[in-house]
Amino acid sequence: SYVLTQPPSVSVAPGQTARQTCGGINIGSKSVHWYQQKSGQAPVLVVYDNSDRPSGIPERFSGSNSGNTAILTISRVEAGDEADYYCQVWDSSTDHWIFGGGTKLTVL
Amino acid sequence: QMQLQESGPALVKPSETLSLTCSVSGGSISTYYWSWIRQPPGKGLEWIGYIYKGVETKYSSSLKRRVTISVDTSKNQVSLRLSSVTAADTAVYFCARSGYFSPSTDYYYFHMDVWGKGTSVIVSS
Repeated sequence: SYVLTQPPSVSVAPGQTARQTCGGINIGSKSVHWYQQKSGQAPVLVVYDNSDRPSGIPERFSGSNSGNTAILTISRVEAGDEADYYCQVWDSSTDHWIFGGGTKLTVL
Repeated sequence: QMQLQESGPALVKPSETLSLTCSVSGGSISTYYWSWIRQPPGKGLEWIGYIYKGVETKYSSSLKRRVTISVDTSKNQVSLRLSSVTAADTAVYFCARSGYFSPSTDYYYFHMDVWGKGTSVIVSS
């Protein structure tokens, strides 16, 4: 089955830019979605279809996808962005949703 | 604004069947994909399965022998049944709206844009 690989953790200082990666074979041919999950809460969709933002999500959140890597970029990081972030794709060969293992973003 | 609320027993005995319900308000369940996702303590998200238009279902390969997802359109509810549970099934269980077809774009969207708050289930005797 299709596998998505995320680094376990990323650290960034406030005001800086955080880039989180999601690796998968030819992931650039798929639509990637990103979710933010704060401690004790349900996940929230922050980017869908590689680079689109749902209403209410700040423009500081952006996404890109090419080749074997998708990237979630958070600009001007704030303390409130500290959370776990998960990438996800729809695997059309199996009709399964696939989640990456998640990355914990720490704001220093 | 569509809202989801999971409900069900917080404690289930090993070998028994876990049954959860997701109550949907603010819209009809008929035209969307609905998924169940779970998260064991301290771990990541695991997709369990989906149901679409009340008849089309698909389950995770690792759970398909034990899972059933169904809908009750009269109550606007989506249900999950997981049989023969063990301690490994201890998790927070979420339901989520997970896709829809857009006639205007002739395109299926497969992102999970509405989530319930989740319900914690512990499997223990």
